[in-house]
Amino acid sequence: GAVVSQHPSRVICKSGTSVKIECRSLDFQATTMFWYRQFPKQSLMLMATSNEGSKATYEQGVEKDKFLINHASLTLSTLTVTSAHPEDSSFYICSARRGGVAFIDEQFFGPGTRLTVL
Amino acid sequence: AQKVTQAQTEISVVEKEDVTLDCVYETRDTTYYLFWYKQPPSGELVFLIRRNSFDEQNEISGRYSWNFQKSTSSFNFTITASQVVDSAVYFCALSGFAGKAAGNKLTFGGGTRVLVKP
Repeated sequence: GAVVSQHPSRVICKSGTSVKIECRSLDFQATTMFWYRQFPKQSLMLMATSNEGSKATYEQGVEKDKFLINHASLTLSTLTVTSAHPEDSSFYICSARRGGVAFIDEQFFGPGTRLTVL
Repeated sequence: AQKVTQAQTEISVVEKEDVTLDCVYETRDTTYYLFWYKQPPSGELVFLIRRNSFDEQNEISGRYSWNFQKSTSSFNFTITASQVVDSAVYFCALSGFAGKAAGNKLTFGGGTRVLVKP
């Protein structure tokens, strides 16, 4: 159990286009989902926290108008990179926190999406 | 603010050697969780262990063992008799107590790349 999927796994797009990445919890309800970005040979940096039915909370320095996050249901969160530029090329990873487990802090990670902007 | 430091950026060993990865953390929380993740070349994070701040018992799982020293704020990870398949990047991470609003945000260390040569 506790499987998180991401789609697509890899995307190449032209500069100026928008790209949507989906994160789904397949066998549990996720009250909270997180979006991370990882540049080559670097660590994971939290971009935003997404709660179902409410606005996402962005970390300092992350442009909310550029990285649109929607958490429309308990099993789906989407990250849209608007007007992508080459510097947005990165590995994007989502994670989902299982709802209803108040005292166990466990996040389940998706397999990641590699975005390349030409 | 929370901080995780993995001083070793890269470790190279020959198969069957033991390797210890250091992790030092900083937090003002009295209740927190520590994690280790493995990230193989495929990119997907593999959960290895979660330890809460009240449990200082060391843990062994197969060839893996963890040493939690609260007095020195360290949570070190040892791979015994390393194998080529252990080659990956290993991340130490920290989160606060799930009961707090932002308590389950994960702060990652910079990662340690382990290369096991045959």
